[in-house]
Amino acid sequence: DIQMTQSPASLSASLGETVSIECLASEGISNDLAWYQQKSGKSPQLLIYAASRLQDGVPSRFSGSGSGTRYSLKISGMQPEDEADYFCQQSYKYPLTFGSGTKLEIK
Amino acid sequence: EIQLQESGPGLVKPSQSLSLTCSVTGYTITSGYDWSWIRKFPGNKMEWMGYISYSGSTNYNPSLKSRISITRDTSKNQFFLQLNSVTTEDTATYYCARWRRYNYFDYWGQGVMVTVSS
Repeated sequence: DIQMTQSPASLSASLGETVSIECLASEGISNDLAWYQQKSGKSPQLLIYAASRLQDGVPSRFSGSGSGTRYSLKISGMQPEDEADYFCQQSYKYPLTFGSGTKLEIK
Repeated sequence: EIQLQESGPGLVKPSQSLSLTCSVTGYTITSGYDWSWIRKFPGNKMEWMGYISYSGSTNYNPSLKSRISITRDTSKNQFFLQLNSVTTEDTATYYCARWRRYNYFDYWGQGVMVTVSS
């Protein structure tokens, strides 16, 4: 199975701050990576797919980048509604696997 | 609007079977896409369990292959999860989701918490 190592596990950010979350795959995944946001008590919402493509309706402050084994999600200008859990997921190979998640809070 | 909704018992005894239903509205499950089950354990680890495709074929996580079955009722636009011989380690929140193959999960249910306990 492809292991997805996500960091950091938790993060505090001030409003307006830019934050980054990383996922490291145990082997190359050819940009087959998605990022999701999950607010407390809610279902996950797709933010980014194919490593860098913004899902329709997602604010442009969210962006994704990376290649090979290393990928990142950036939030440019933290907003109150961005407080949530974030996780990555690889779609390169079955079984599909997820990162361990990052809890993002407002400082 | 596409919506998915899980339903099923919140408490299952060890060694018994866990059975959940995902009801889909706003899209016909035979029209396309794959229909997945995913679970989130206490501590937040997430595991993809498997899917049933729009054509009825299945693909399971090898870690569960001997215990899992995903089926569907096309007349009701529902698909189902059965997990046999559960243990306390199967305690999790179970989600159903629409899977765009080799891409992403674009619609998720709200999730149903299932506790395995005697």
